[in-house]
Amino acid sequence: SQQGEEDPQALSIQEGENATMNCSYKTSINNLQWYRQNSGRGLVHLILIRSNEREKHSGRLRVTLDTSKKSSSLLITASRAADTASYFCATVVNTGGFKTIFGAGTRLFVKA
Amino acid sequence: NAGVTQTPKFQVLKTGQSMTLQCAQDMNHNSMYWYRQDPGMGLRLIYYSASEGTTDKGEVPNGYNVSRLNKREFSLRLESAAPSQTSVYFCASSEMATGGFTYEQYFGPGTRLTVT
Repeated sequence: SQQGEEDPQALSIQEGENATMNCSYKTSINNLQWYRQNSGRGLVHLILIRSNEREKHSGRLRVTLDTSKKSSSLLITASRAADTASYFCATVVNTGGFKTIFGAGTRLFVKA
Repeated sequence: NAGVTQTPKFQVLKTGQSMTLQCAQDMNHNSMYWYRQDPGMGLRLIYYSASEGTTDKGEVPNGYNVSRLNKREFSLRLESAAPSQTSVYFCASSEMATGGFTYEQYFGPGTRLTVT
């Protein structure tokens, strides 16, 4: 099974609302990253949070990390139609080399 | 600055045929990666190259081979394509992990491969 699992699998909201996505993982991590993927495109890095950080902001994005619960959340405030995309968390694990493991993603649809 | 480029963008193969997917990056990154993405799923790591001259298996390496041709280029080869290899393939690059810290990855636009 995959290291990172996002919840919910899909989310539909109105423009202007906030969107929250969660990610849970199984093993100790080095850091956790969030990526966005627009339909048919490659992934774009959004934000990286280290294992010793609890919260990080970037524009309308807020990421939290709770290592005791092995979970992270991504909050997008004041969403826009252009935020419609899939969002993936990626955890980095050390298995004799540092590997990035991606979750299955949350598909966000923002209605104008 | 093109970032990460992949060729071809689309490919249709018959079962048993072979092909090589090409990837190049112009960001002087040490590490490069190949992933596959199946419908409704996240990315699964096929192979990666932490630095020029090294390659390692990821989660799903069976049926694939890779070559790190030089610092810029990392190719993925399917020797005998199977329908199960129908997928979208992404190449990515990043700075090399040091001291236990790993960096963000930059992705190419993907290659859509169909094996019939």
